Amino acid sequence: KAGVTQTPRYLIKTRGQQVTLSCSPISGHRSVSWYQQTPGQGLQFLFEYFSETQRNKGNFPGRFSGRQFSNSRSEMNVSTLELGDSALYLCASSRGRDRGRGDTQYFGPGTRLTVL
Amino acid sequence: AQKITQTQPGMFVQEKEAVTLDCTYDTSDQSYGLFWYKQPSSGEMIFLIYQGSYDEQNATEGRYSLNFQKARKSANLVISASQLGDSAMYFCSGVTGGGNKLTFGTGTQLKVEL
Repeated sequence: KAGVTQTPRYLIKTRGQQVTLSCSPISGHRSVSWYQQTPGQGLQFLFEYFSETQRNKGNFPGRFSGRQFSNSRSEMNVSTLELGDSALYLCASSRGRDRGRGDTQYFGPGTRLTVL
Repeated sequence: AQKITQTQPGMFVQEKEAVTLDCTYDTSDQSYGLFWYKQPSSGEMIFLIYQGSYDEQNATEGRYSLNFQKARKSANLVISASQLGDSAMYFCSGVTGGGNKLTFGTGTQLKVEL
């Protein structure tokens, strides 16, 4: 079974631009979550989508948004990029049926975004 | 809400020896799950092991086992017979009954030496 895939793997943008990252979950998984990883803040939850609906949201500004399509693929968008948005963005998929406790999330390789 | 604490920024272990990575958690929820992930320098997070709050036995997955002490709110990862390929960052994480929002600790950098 293919794992979680993320595109692109690397991205360089300048301040003020916007960016869209893509995530394809494991086949059969309906939940997709996004995380931001930086050296200073560590791993932080951005949001989770399940059946095309945002089910959970972290404490990030409105510049960060996402969506999920009917095939469970998800995209994340960051508008008006700031230097502090430079990070590794990780996407994770899970079945989504057993909310919380036992719903193991499997991660993709991440997209490394650099904002200049 | 849940807080995950990992107090060992870095650990060294000799090849073939066992190592314990510490993790404590703080939550008022009765229902929660605890996960350990491995992150090599390539960046991908690899799922290792899961422990549910109602599981009576400690979880095991091959060379990985989780020493779950509910009263102490600890969920330490034990890696037996360390291998060079085990060198990586290890994250303890948790989720409570409210969804799939994983809360992560700050991680432990493990280095396996010959």
